[in-house]
Amino acid sequence: AQSVTQLGSHVSVSEGALVLLRCNYSSSVPPYLFWYVQYPNQGLQLLLKYTTGATLVKGINGFEAEFKKSETSFHLTKPSAHMSDAAEYFCAIYQGAQKLVFGQGTRLTINP
Amino acid sequence: DTGVSQNPRHKITKRGQNVTFRCDPISEHNRLYWYRQTLGQGPEFLTYFQNEAQLEKSRLLSDRFSAERPKGSFSTLEIQRTEQGDSAMYLCASSSGGQFTYEQYFGPGTRLTVT
Repeated sequence: AQSVTQLGSHVSVSEGALVLLRCNYSSSVPPYLFWYVQYPNQGLQLLLKYTTGATLVKGINGFEAEFKKSETSFHLTKPSAHMSDAAEYFCAIYQGAQKLVFGQGTRLTINP
Repeated sequence: DTGVSQNPRHKITKRGQNVTFRCDPISEHNRLYWYRQTLGQGPEFLTYFQNEAQLEKSRLLSDRFSAERPKGSFSTLEIQRTEQGDSAMYLCASSSGGQFTYEQYFGPGTRLTVT
């Protein structure tokens, strides 16, 4: 079965600094990978996805992620953090049978 | 496109009571999903509908849980004889078919508190 592991339940960066949220996956088939963001008391919003093709995928709000098969990773980055980026971020993998399997989440805090 | 909507947003109930939640998917989406999210965890898959047919159920969905999607439009999730362990955020998502089937769009969730 496919799974994802998010490294670090809490990441804190200064405003303007690089954001790096780590996600490693396990899959016996070519994976479909996703990053979602969740603001307090809200549902999940799709940031970006990787299915096939280009390994560097760009998403909304300036985020991007790179699929690295050799490292089984799909880390999320943003060059310059903004206060509005403070939220919970979830990595997910499509497991088949129409279901997504999520990591435990990483809470991103932005320091002024 | 008004997005996925869920009602109510919050529900407080006493242990042993029954509760029902409603989800209205994006209008052209024929796939609908229910997930449960407990505090500090990622969402966990509960069940999935394609049109009105319930095609997949997680083992997390005990006999006290039932979901329906009559006429393939809105869906309801009912929990009978609620327990404190049922306290969680219940999330609904929908997706279209074809090449975008993997893109699931989530509603704001219903937060259930069982006292």
